[in-house]
Amino acid sequence: RKEVEQDPGPFNVPEGATVAFNCTYSNSASQSFFWYRQDCRKEPKLLMSVYSSGNEDGRFTAQLNRASQYISLLIRDSKLSDSATYLCVVNGLTGGGNKLTFGTGTQLKVEL
Amino acid sequence: NAGVTQTPKFQVLKTGQSMTLQCAQDMNHEYMSWYRQDPGMGLRLIHYSVGAGITDQGEVPNGYNVSRSTTEDFPLRLLSAAPSQTSVYFCASRIQVLPTGANVLTFGAGSRLTVL
Repeated sequence: RKEVEQDPGPFNVPEGATVAFNCTYSNSASQSFFWYRQDCRKEPKLLMSVYSSGNEDGRFTAQLNRASQYISLLIRDSKLSDSATYLCVVNGLTGGGNKLTFGTGTQLKVEL
Repeated sequence: NAGVTQTPKFQVLKTGQSMTLQCAQDMNHEYMSWYRQDPGMGLRLIHYSVGAGITDQGEVPNGYNVSRSTTEDFPLRLLSAAPSQTSVYFCASRIQVLPTGANVLTFGAGSRLTVL
């Protein structure tokens, strides 16, 4: 089982739709969680950190479920500009210390 | 603007050649790292540094060397390029060593390397 797993997509949605991505992680000692956004042929950029109580930033909501070991990202009222790949990133404790593990990403395409 | 600067953006090498990817940050970040990104795989850590003079191996260090003589610079050296090193390389830094909620990675724009 991969340490961090994401559905690669693509998720093709119409503008204005609500879309949700899940990401599962295998290390129960994981401590912090992030969603990054990566545009085509660009570098990843932090979208939001994910907190235990869940957090919202405008149209974006992130949730953490420690019992089931997954995090989610909900995007409401999708815009064309939301088209990108969304990377799930998990920081966990390993024998060698803290380790950031990146998922392979979920591709979102928002269409007219 | 402050940030992480990588050069070159593109490079084509022949098998066996050596080269250095440059990375500089002007944010006084303690932690710097190099990742490679390949299709169908998540970003994988090559080497990292927690401060000037301190470097360590990541997940995929073979074939690469690094050094950290200053806080600002963290070059990645390919000793003898192989086709398997064809990839997109990202340098990333953060203020402190531990990746807490408010202490996140900032990436450079990436360097696309092709080894023939």
